[in-house]
Amino acid sequence: AQSVTQLGSHVSVSEGALVLLRCNYSSSVPPYLFWYVQYPNQGLQLLLKYTSAATLVKGINGFEAEFKKSETSFHLTKPSAHMSDAAEYFCAVSDSLGNQGGKLIFGQGTELSVKP
Amino acid sequence: DAGITQSPRHKVTETGTPVTLRCHQTENHRYMYWYRQDPGHGLRLIHYSYGVKDTDKGEVSDGYSVSRSKTEDFLLTLESATSSQTSVYFCAISDTRAGGVETQYFGPGTRLLVL
Repeated sequence: AQSVTQLGSHVSVSEGALVLLRCNYSSSVPPYLFWYVQYPNQGLQLLLKYTSAATLVKGINGFEAEFKKSETSFHLTKPSAHMSDAAEYFCAVSDSLGNQGGKLIFGQGTELSVKP
Repeated sequence: DAGITQSPRHKVTETGTPVTLRCHQTENHRYMYWYRQDPGHGLRLIHYSYGVKDTDKGEVSDGYSVSRSKTEDFLLTLESATSSQTSVYFCAISDTRAGGVETQYFGPGTRLLVL
């Protein structure tokens, strides 16, 4: 069965600093991995996804994530934090092998705070 | 924007009352999902649908039922609401646009408070 662990429920960085949000997964099949962002009182917005085409995935708003099979990790990074990046971030794994009808298994979420 | 709307957006109800939440999509997606979001748990799947009148249970389905009589509407019903069902509920659709790999897109959510 698939599972996702996000290390750190709260991460605080200064504006301009590196953002690193950690995600480790467990999957018995080749994983399809996702990062979503949720701004206050809004729904989830797709940041990026890993689909086995490339291990380094670039997403929206300057975020990227690197798939490391040996470490079963899919950490999210951004070189320089902006105040507007303050939000909750969710890592998820799909059990569908990329086909329709799969179910997403989410991590617990990491709330990112950005200090001026 | 995947053309997903949820109604109501906010709801306050009393314990023991039945509640129905509606998810509406405009792009003819086959797969639809209901999740609940609770602090420390991320999102957890309640029920999903793979077509009209075709539904199945998710991880936390107890106390919930769903119906899908039209492609565009997926209803979530709390038969007799309890305080433990106070949560934020999200609807999602599945789409294989942009590279062919299935991706889920989410609605704006419904915030439910059960007193």
